[in-house]
Amino acid sequence: NAGVTQTPKFQVLKTGQSMTLQCAQDMNHNSMYWYRQDPGMGLRLIYYSASEGTTDKGEVPNGYNVSRLNKREFSLRLESAAPSQTSVYFCASSELDTQYFGPGTRLTVL
Amino acid sequence: AQSVTQLDSQVPVFEEAPVELRCNYSSSVSVYLFWYVQYPNQGLQLLLKYLSGSTLVESINGFEAEFNKSQTSFHLRKPSVHISDTAEYFCAVSVFTGGGNKLTFGTGTQLKVEL
Repeated sequence: NAGVTQTPKFQVLKTGQSMTLQCAQDMNHNSMYWYRQDPGMGLRLIYYSASEGTTDKGEVPNGYNVSRLNKREFSLRLESAAPSQTSVYFCASSELDTQYFGPGTRLTVL
Repeated sequence: AQSVTQLDSQVPVFEEAPVELRCNYSSSVSVYLFWYVQYPNQGLQLLLKYLSGSTLVESINGFEAEFNKSQTSFHLRKPSVHISDTAEYFCAVSVFTGGGNKLTFGTGTQLKVEL
């Protein structure tokens, strides 16, 4: 039982490059989330998916897109990376009240 | 909309001393309250939560938090900290709807336990 897994763990991009962050959960949870964590700002919600087939914007969605591929997987795509997107990205899943977090992806955009 | 304030960005404390990490929230509706802990280079883990019922909630490793509706607070306390408690602590609120459980986080408090 791996919980929530994220790939890759680290990534360096140049400005303008694109990439997809992958997230998978094996807990059969309906809801999944993407957050970014920046120093002194806590975690901010980028997008979430309340159930398979639905996605909604969170607090900071600009520059990102998401895909809920199936119940297990929820990916985050940066179409044209910018230095302001340098951050640590966390995926989470939940059933009812408690969210379970992955280990994070540290992304640097040069 | 909800908001969470953690006024202390860093709290240094000696081992075996008591500690309190402060959390205040703002919301026009009833909320659920959480404390998450993040150890270095790891994801967040749930420490404790208040959903309803008793306003004092406890974790398995000796932390406790009390929901105070009149003061809109949910402060985290531990009577005697250990070096292994060094981590960043995040307070969060949510309004649970049928569309998932979106969390609003505070900016975090870094607890540093010193010998």
